[in-house]
Amino acid sequence: GQQVMQIPQYQHVQEGEDFTTYCNSSTTLSNIQWYKQRPGGHPVFLIQLVKSGEVKKQKRLTFQFGEAKKNSSLHITATQTTDVGTYFCAGGGGSNYKLTFGKGTLLTVNP
Amino acid sequence: DGGITQSPKYLFRKEGQNVTLSCEQNLNHDAMYWYRQDPGQGLRLIYYSQIVNDFQKGDIAEGYSVSREKKESFPLTVTSAQKNPTAFYLCASSTGDRTSEKLFFGSGTQLSVL
Repeated sequence: GQQVMQIPQYQHVQEGEDFTTYCNSSTTLSNIQWYKQRPGGHPVFLIQLVKSGEVKKQKRLTFQFGEAKKNSSLHITATQTTDVGTYFCAGGGGSNYKLTFGKGTLLTVNP
Repeated sequence: DGGITQSPKYLFRKEGQNVTLSCEQNLNHDAMYWYRQDPGQGLRLIYYSQIVNDFQKGDIAEGYSVSREKKESFPLTVTSAQKNPTAFYLCASSTGDRTSEKLFFGSGTQLSVL
């Protein structure tokens, strides 16, 4: 079945440094979504990418969808302590409603 | 406020006991889902339902059961057959439109074994 790999598993940065997490799928995706889960909280939808090569920005966050629609990345510029949490990618692609989640990247930020 | 309500927040299960986790949504969403989250793991799909009175097994359905008698409700029962039930359980919903599968999550239920 479809598998979504996400790296790194953990990332610790100093406040102000940049951060990137990567997602790779074993199959072509119809779309990819990104979620953020704060410690002790639940996942919250950030964005969805649908088109090949698509790039979207949300303030300091930049999301990319690869040309082959098999990989994606989330880049945070100049991290802040409010960015702390686990970032998950989730790939859509089957003939059903199922999303396949990556294992997430836990971001910690040292003030 | 529209949203998804999960209860209880914490739940303890004894050996051989079945327990039921509640999930209610007032978003008028057709699709509902149950995910299991273990530390350091992603979200693994247990069951999902695209419409009332219909549901499908996800990737880890063994030891779990669900029902979807109402659009608003999708309870999950963790049966005694689930030998390792300790985990964080998340319920989610979506509009059911395949082109926009954005998930809205509840606040979760932490299940532990006594």
